[in-house]
Amino acid sequence: LAKTTQPISMDSYEGQEVNITCSHNNIATNDYITWYQQFPSQGPRFIIQGYKTKVTNEVASLFIPADRKSSTLSLPRVSLSDTAVYYCLVGDLRSSGSARQLTFGSGTQLTVLP
Amino acid sequence: DAGVTQSPTHLIKTRGQQVTLRCSPISGHKSVSWYQQVLGQGPQFIFQYYEKEERGRGNFPDRFSARQFPNYSSELNVNALLLGDSALYLCASSPYTWTENMETQYFGPGTRLLVL
Repeated sequence: LAKTTQPISMDSYEGQEVNITCSHNNIATNDYITWYQQFPSQGPRFIIQGYKTKVTNEVASLFIPADRKSSTLSLPRVSLSDTAVYYCLVGDLRSSGSARQLTFGSGTQLTVLP
Repeated sequence: DAGVTQSPTHLIKTRGQQVTLRCSPISGHKSVSWYQQVLGQGPQFIFQYYEKEERGRGNFPDRFSARQFPNYSSELNVNALLLGDSALYLCASSPYTWTENMETQYFGPGTRLLVL
């Protein structure tokens, strides 16, 4: 499973766009990139997932360059309720017969200020 | 539809005791995974079960065991509790289908275990 590196913490203000970058230099050909959000004393919540280029959903965008050695989670116009820990995960959860485990790092603590 | 449910929400035990945590997956999901999250760290994989069979085990001692029932609910058991077992125990369910390009796991709220 590829190791990921993210900033430990980030601060932003309400209404701003936040970009959190994750490095994964050893990403394998079949690996996907997934981001989860976690609030205190709650389970992680799936945000977005991608393989290459750009993926967008109703809450975030994920930018993946051609070499796939990094990825950037973009949160548009954050609010106070976006204050949480954000985890970048890399792996292939499609392998037949193997455990589909998620490997979490320490995550990025995003604090949104008023 | 209800999400993943876990019980109890909080639990206090003493060293050496045994504990059983319970998880009910999202309706239609056949796989349940267990994770341990120590304060300040990301969740660590313990087990995955699919169709009542263990499909994977993380780097945890044999004191940790689990099982899955015919209705796909699951129990995590921890024997001979240590202070270091104090953590948030998370259950995640997934459909475990081969048609998905990349599977999403859905987490429950967790059980907070404190070992004194």
